[in-house]
Amino acid sequence: EDKVVQSPLSLVVHEGDTVTLNCSYEVTNFRSLLWYKQEKKAPTFLFMLTSSGIEKKSGRLSSILDKKELFSILNITATQTGDSAIYLCAVNIQGAQKLVFGQGTRLTINP
Amino acid sequence: GAVVSQHPSWVICKSGTSVKIECRSLDFQATTMFWYRQFPKQSLMLMATSNEGSKATYEQGVEKDKFLINHASLTLSTLTVTSAHPEDSSFYICSARVGQTMDTQYFGPGTRLTVL
Repeated sequence: EDKVVQSPLSLVVHEGDTVTLNCSYEVTNFRSLLWYKQEKKAPTFLFMLTSSGIEKKSGRLSSILDKKELFSILNITATQTGDSAIYLCAVNIQGAQKLVFGQGTRLTINP
Repeated sequence: GAVVSQHPSWVICKSGTSVKIECRSLDFQATTMFWYRQFPKQSLMLMATSNEGSKATYEQGVEKDKFLINHASLTLSTLTVTSAHPEDSSFYICSARVGQTMDTQYFGPGTRLTVL
């Protein structure tokens, strides 16, 4: 069974801290890994990763994939209260035409 | 970017009634749309894949007679929760795929269903 596991499930930090969110996966036929941010409504796209070792960066957010060890991390530096959200990791299964989501990490940034 | 809308954004209904949720791709054609449900503090669970002009493909454990999906056009898919019960209360999110791969998938804003 295809599985995506995120950790931690919940994280509370102070503004300005750096956080690292983890996503590990066990799937039959990996195509890509995607990170989403979900505030109160629909998830919004952050990154798509297909190759190992190539960092994707957008402002204070960055992400990298390790296809040998089957995991990805999402880093957020100099966190702000607006970063508070649920961060979802999903794996696109080749040929299955669907995304398998992890449980999500609920991140809370306190001022 | 591609925009997906959902209607209604929230609905409250009595137990036993049916509720229809619409998912529209506003500026592109979507041959495939997906329906998810999300319980509080949990992740998205795929319910079904909706293909235009054909029957939906349901995930294991999802009752197709309870959650009716219709994808009559390239820009509209509907999910009808039939004979809703309180345990059906959830956040329902649709998404639409652009192109042939899952890599480009856009989510609607979601519909919060509360069944009394």
